[in-house]
Amino acid sequence: NAGVMQNPRHLVRRRGQEARLRCSPMKGHSHVYWYRQLPEEGLKFMVYLQKENIIDESGMPKERFSAEFPKEGPSILRIQQVVRGDSAAYFCASSPGVVSVTEAFFGQGTRLTVV
Amino acid sequence: SQELEQSPQSLIVQEGKNLTINCTSSKTLYGLYWYKQKYGEGLIFLMMLQKGGEEKSHEKITAKLDEKKQQSSLHITASQPSHAGIYLCGADMRNTPLVFGKGTRLSVIA
Repeated sequence: NAGVMQNPRHLVRRRGQEARLRCSPMKGHSHVYWYRQLPEEGLKFMVYLQKENIIDESGMPKERFSAEFPKEGPSILRIQQVVRGDSAAYFCASSPGVVSVTEAFFGQGTRLTVV
Repeated sequence: SQELEQSPQSLIVQEGKNLTINCTSSKTLYGLYWYKQKYGEGLIFLMMLQKGGEEKSHEKITAKLDEKKQQSSLHITASQPSHAGIYLCGADMRNTPLVFGKGTRLSVIA
């Protein structure tokens, strides 16, 4: 049973380009969480999704950021018109149910660098 | 304001020494999770605590949750270089996605 898979591991984008980050949850997991980790900072919650539904997006910036978790395929975090401040490590976690009763498994992260 | 405070922010210990990392919440916790992150890598789950007064151990790492469920400690006995990394506590504030502290950076020197 493979763990949470994120790709790419490293992504370099020029200012103004789009970044697409992918997360394939563990088999049997229908809950996906995206977090951002800025240098020297902890993990900041961004968005919580279940299949085809956004449950909580309270941590998502209002502009340029979007997330989806389609019925088939990985969850995608999309950042449009990237700026230098978007440079960070983006982590995805998945769980089989609500995280309060089970642990969340994290992927290796995607390190986005905006130049 | 930070809902979870971790202390210390960084720690350098000599190999073989014991150490403790603390995680304090301003709210009652419904679950407390400890993760370890190697520099530049993902998070590795260590332990989950849910009951007041609960204590769990795995190899040389022991985690406790106080009776009031607002503070947790992570204790490492006889530290080794393999223990080096960033330790993160994550809290379930009641059916919400996990909220994390800023982490404690541990270095173990020979």
